[in-house]
Amino acid sequence: GDSVTQMEGPVTLSEEAFLTINCTYTATGYPSLFWYVQYPGEGLQLLLKATKADDKGSNKGFEATYRKETTSFHLEKGSVQVSDSAVYFCALSDLSGANSKLTFGKGITLSVRP
Amino acid sequence: DAMVIQNPRYQVTQFGKPVTLSCSQTLNHNVMYWYQQKSSQAPKLLFHYYDKDFNNEADTPDNFQSRRPNTSFCFLDIRSPGLGDAAMYLCATGTPVGGTQYFGPGTRLLVL
Repeated sequence: GDSVTQMEGPVTLSEEAFLTINCTYTATGYPSLFWYVQYPGEGLQLLLKATKADDKGSNKGFEATYRKETTSFHLEKGSVQVSDSAVYFCALSDLSGANSKLTFGKGITLSVRP
Repeated sequence: DAMVIQNPRYQVTQFGKPVTLSCSQTLNHNVMYWYQQKSSQAPKLLFHYYDKDFNNEADTPDNFQSRRPNTSFCFLDIRSPGLGDAAMYLCATGTPVGGTQYFGPGTRLLVL
């Protein structure tokens, strides 16, 4: 079945540091790929998405490129802020059925120090 | 703003006492999902509705039920909550094509 693997966490960075969070996937078809962010005590918010190979999703300074050849969707940000501290989930969408489901990675906690 | 609303944000119940969590949406999406999320874990899909069609996940306990009286509302019923059911419950909506799901803020359930 489909699966998503995220790098182990937690990750702690200083403000203005460069961020990379690795995500790889296994899927039988051509899934859409997502990054969701969850702030403490809140639900998940869509951060960015990509629907086909070589698409780049971007939002709030975060970027991720859908790489079919390496089955990856790594999240990057050039300069993190304290307000970026949250849990980040990589996910893929199975579109093979009548309605889609999300397969999530385990999530990774990012803490940014001032 | 179009959104997904969950009430209440915090719910305390007693062991074995039925509890209902509610979700409403103004996005007019066909699909509504219920997830359970325990601390430091990814959300786990319990079930979803595609319009009025109910789709249960194979490993969802019978203790969990759901109702969707109309497009806008969906309820999660826990018939006899156990201590292990304490968690964050997330509602999400989406459309059949595209895959994006939009989440509500969640209801945190505490079982005493």
